[in-house]
Amino acid sequence: QKEVEQNSGPLSVPEGAIASLNCTYSDRGSQSFFWYRQYSGKSPELIMSIYSNGDKEDGRFTAQLNKASQYVSLLIRDSQPSDSATYLCAVNQAGTALIFGKGTTLSVSS
Amino acid sequence: KAGVTQTPRYLIKTRGQQVTLSCSPISGHRSVSWYQQTPGQGLQFLFEYFSETQRNKGNFPGRFSGRQFSNSRSEMNVSTLELGDSALYLCASSLRDRGAEAFFGQGTRLTVV
Repeated sequence: QKEVEQNSGPLSVPEGAIASLNCTYSDRGSQSFFWYRQYSGKSPELIMSIYSNGDKEDGRFTAQLNKASQYVSLLIRDSQPSDSATYLCAVNQAGTALIFGKGTTLSVSS
Repeated sequence: KAGVTQTPRYLIKTRGQQVTLSCSPISGHRSVSWYQQTPGQGLQFLFEYFSETQRNKGNFPGRFSGRQFSNSRSEMNVSTLELGDSALYLCASSLRDRGAEAFFGQGTRLTVV
């Protein structure tokens, strides 16, 4: 059973701080890794994708991938109250379905 | 460019009835996946279609079925509805079926009473 694990939280950070969200996965053959943001009552929105080991930066977001440790993370710099949402980690291997973790709820206080 | 469109947005059905949900992917996208989201279980994979062929199927009973048409639009059907089928049903479209980024529609909120 392929699994994607996330700490459900809530993760609480003050405005302006760095939020660190973590995800581990069980399928060593996984090749594609994604982070989605889901606001309450809305559908998931893709915010980052990463395919190779290392860091990928996009604005205030940085995704980090370590395939040897089967670990992917998302850093949000200068966190804003508008970043308060549930963040979903998703993983797949070529030809297989995209599998999601249950999400980490982030709360940014002003 | 239009996003993923799901219809209807909300549905209320009675136990034992059946329901059909529709998804129109982003223009040019050929892969459509369906997910069920509930507070307790999170996002659970139902099935994935690419070029009218079911490529992957999740661990759901046979009451859940789907299909994809030649224009990439997809439908999913749930027969003999149960109270536990109440959930947000999400459709995601991708350009291709192998590790591509997936973009979600707004979802269909199904309530079974």
